[in-house]
Amino acid sequence: SQQGEEDPQALSIQEGENATMNCSYKTSINNLQWYRQNSGRGLVHLILIRSNEREKHSGRLRVTLDTSKKSSSLLITASRAADTASYFCAQGVQGAQKLVFGQGTRLTINP
Amino acid sequence: DAGVIQSPRHEVTEMGQEVTLRCKPISGHNSLFWYRQTMMRGLELLIYFNNNVPIDDSGMPEDRFSAKMPNASFSTLKIQPSEPRDSAVYFCASSRQGVTTGELFFGEGSRLTVL
Repeated sequence: SQQGEEDPQALSIQEGENATMNCSYKTSINNLQWYRQNSGRGLVHLILIRSNEREKHSGRLRVTLDTSKKSSSLLITASRAADTASYFCAQGVQGAQKLVFGQGTRLTINP
Repeated sequence: DAGVIQSPRHEVTEMGQEVTLRCKPISGHNSLFWYRQTMMRGLELLIYFNNNVPIDDSGMPEDRFSAKMPNASFSTLKIQPSEPRDSAVYFCASSRQGVTTGELFFGEGSRLTVL
């Protein structure tokens, strides 16, 4: 299976703290993307990092990519209760027009 | 922009019945993807289309599943006959550029329960 893994599977922190989620993947990639899913809803794209990039920022989000280790991390700074959701990394598989998703991290922000 | 529209949002059916899920992608997007989400297996890519042509259907679990895209604004995923193990949330997503360079826009999903 090409499916990657995410760590931790679940994370619970206090509002205002930073949340870090990690993703490992197996294939060669064009890019790696992070998505968010609120309970009972569809996935929403957060950020895309290309295989030749090492770090990218968007608002309170910071993504890193280490292609030598086939890993990525998503950092959410100054978390808010509204950040409670599941977060998925997705590999843009090289040579194929498809995204392969990890199992996700369930993030809970306690007010 | 209305986003990706899926119907029905919820479907409860009995084993052996035919199920048809529908998707309207975002106008102007040329790639369309069907995913299935379960607790056990996570998000699985079933099939994707580029310019209405099926490109990769290797994720379709078995012959009971079929997908069509007769035009750029409509796609269906059909299960015939349905089985309890098909119970899942089925997502449709579309992309303007393809995922090599762009992002996916997801619908809200169709939650299927097969009794």
